[in-house]
Amino acid sequence: DSGVTQTPKHLITATGQRVTLRCSPRSGDLSVYWYQQSLDQGLQFLIQYYNGEERAKGNILERFSAQQFPDLHSELNLSSLELGDSALYFCASSQNTGSMRYTFGSGTRLTVV
Amino acid sequence: GQQLNQNPQSMFIQEGEDVSMNCTSSSIFNTWLWYKQDPGEGPVLLIALYKAGELTSNGRLTAQFGITRKDSFLNISASIPSDVGIYFCAGPQNNAGNMLTFGGGTRLMVKP
Repeated sequence: DSGVTQTPKHLITATGQRVTLRCSPRSGDLSVYWYQQSLDQGLQFLIQYYNGEERAKGNILERFSAQQFPDLHSELNLSSLELGDSALYFCASSQNTGSMRYTFGSGTRLTVV
Repeated sequence: GQQLNQNPQSMFIQEGEDVSMNCTSSSIFNTWLWYKQDPGEGPVLLIALYKAGELTSNGRLTAQFGITRKDSFLNISASIPSDVGIYFCAGPQNNAGNMLTFGGGTRLMVKP
């Protein structure tokens, strides 16, 4: 157990739907990152939050959004889902904005049908 | 943007053999990290390198920060079945902040 908790582990949904992925960071970590892992694109950085505020954005689609709550858990919202959004979505956390020593969760496998 | 190229993309070796893999970039990195991803799990940090020429070990794993700062190497000695997985190199995007760019991974398979 890495200490980073992601739920659900698996999600199957239809095109056009909206889903929410949840992440609880490791205790004491203030920074949360979301990554998408697909077969053809590898691990792609989506977005980073630090202590409730958005810090950096990567290749995140406009249909996707995220937030980090006061208790530091984070949610990634994916809307108007397309078949190509099927992927593993990982959350990682680190102590602060300077640390690159990420701790990853086990991921949420999203399948859009 | 920065791209990290990993070679080989996959390896199939016999248990007990040594393994070498590398990661190259078109631009300079000031930090290199190596992660391993087991099937069905998230990546786990193996080794972090912070200085050109640095050689760091973690058990049977040894990683080196290339002198040109455009490459890094990971070696695994005396491989065992639990070494199976995907090995990723990573470095800071644009050498700024702490968002990581990951390589495409090297998939290692070990035959008992």
